[in-house]
Amino acid sequence: QQQVKQSPQSLIVQKGGISIINCAYENTAFDYFPWYQQFPGKGPALLIAIRPDVSEKKEGRFTISFNKSAKQFSLHIMDSQPGDSATYFCAASGGYQKVTFGIGTKLQVIP
Amino acid sequence: DAGITQSPRHKVTETGTPVTLRCHQTENHRYMYWYRQDPGHGLRLIHYSYGVKDTDKGEVSDGYSVSRSKTEDFLLTLESATSSQTSVYFCAISEDKNYGYTFGSGTRLTVV
Repeated sequence: QQQVKQSPQSLIVQKGGISIINCAYENTAFDYFPWYQQFPGKGPALLIAIRPDVSEKKEGRFTISFNKSAKQFSLHIMDSQPGDSATYFCAASGGYQKVTFGIGTKLQVIP
Repeated sequence: DAGITQSPRHKVTETGTPVTLRCHQTENHRYMYWYRQDPGHGLRLIHYSYGVKDTDKGEVSDGYSVSRSKTEDFLLTLESATSSQTSVYFCAISEDKNYGYTFGSGTRLTVV
């Protein structure tokens, strides 16, 4: 049972464009929604996270949008750069539920 | 990664042999986790620990065991390695179960 569904699995964006990755969850007990960035050969690294008391969180070029009623959240990367090329994982946790990860999105930013 | 170290980084082993992977942290975090990462499957939880000698199973625990005798060390053992356990294994730590994780650099294990 996939509790966090992530799409797309791969994404190609031109430099300077906006990259958008979407996730949907089922368990209403989830109350912590992080995003991780992983470069080849490295472990995932926490990028940005949100809790459901806010609908948006921005850190630099990275923004999480959260829609509690739709049980969806998304990562927006503004002004995408080749250095942003990586795999991105959404995740969710809350209550007694352990962290559940999405399947990952491989982002390629082309010059 | 700062505060968390995995060893070894790479290992090739034969089918049927026991293998132990080590995760060491210097952050004094309560929670420690073992994940495996495979193409098309993302990150799957093998086992986790919520304190010394306190461990529990994840979604893909068959064929794996863990031990945590000290706060800083979390060991993952494959009792009898199989080719299906060829994977990249990541250890992660967190202050609380609903906080961000810090991941190690991973161990690439190949079972031949």
